Amino acid sequence: QKEVEQNSGPLSVPEGAIASLNCTYSDRGSQSFFWYRQYSGKSPELIMFIYSNGDKEDGRFTAQLNKASQYVSLLIRDSQPSDSATYLCAVKTGGSARQLTFGSGTQLTVLP
Amino acid sequence: KAGVTQTPRYLIKTRGQQVTLSCSPISGHRSVSWYQQTPGQGLQFLFEYFSETQRNKGNFPGRFSGRQFSNSRSEMNVSTLELGDSALYLCASSLGLDRSSYGYTFGSGTRLTVV
Repeated sequence: QKEVEQNSGPLSVPEGAIASLNCTYSDRGSQSFFWYRQYSGKSPELIMFIYSNGDKEDGRFTAQLNKASQYVSLLIRDSQPSDSATYLCAVKTGGSARQLTFGSGTQLTVLP
Repeated sequence: KAGVTQTPRYLIKTRGQQVTLSCSPISGHRSVSWYQQTPGQGLQFLFEYFSETQRNKGNFPGRFSGRQFSNSRSEMNVSTLELGDSALYLCASSLGLDRSSYGYTFGSGTRLTVV
């Protein structure tokens, strides 16, 4: 089982719709969770991070974390064509293993 | 405020050669991490440096090494290059190791091609 799993997609949504991206992780000791966006040919860009159970909102983006289910998601409201990119979920475990472990990414296309 | 700077942007090397990549973190950031990104394996962690010390290392062979200087700039070295080392190498910096400074900012990467 991979440490961080994402739906590989591709995911297509019409402009203005809500895009829902999901991620599960295997290490219950994981403490911090990140969503990155990567445009083709570019480096990953941090969108949001979340530490506590529940929802965290930032503009059109909402991150949701459920540690009991080992599940983190990203909602993008009012999706725009400029949101078309690969979204990477990353998980960081505390203690001695401090690296960010990334999922394989979900490719999102927002159709005009 | 300057971002994370990686040099060179592109590199072509021959099998068996060695290569050194450079990363200058955001001013004030003391932690530097290196990642390898390939289409098949995605983003994989190489190592993390903080205060000139390697704090964590991923599952890569000893041909991959790195170091960090007193000004937080970091270099990674790959010796005896193999075709499979062709990848985008990304450097990410953050303020430190504690939870409040967990935000990682990536550089533009170095695209290494081994022929």
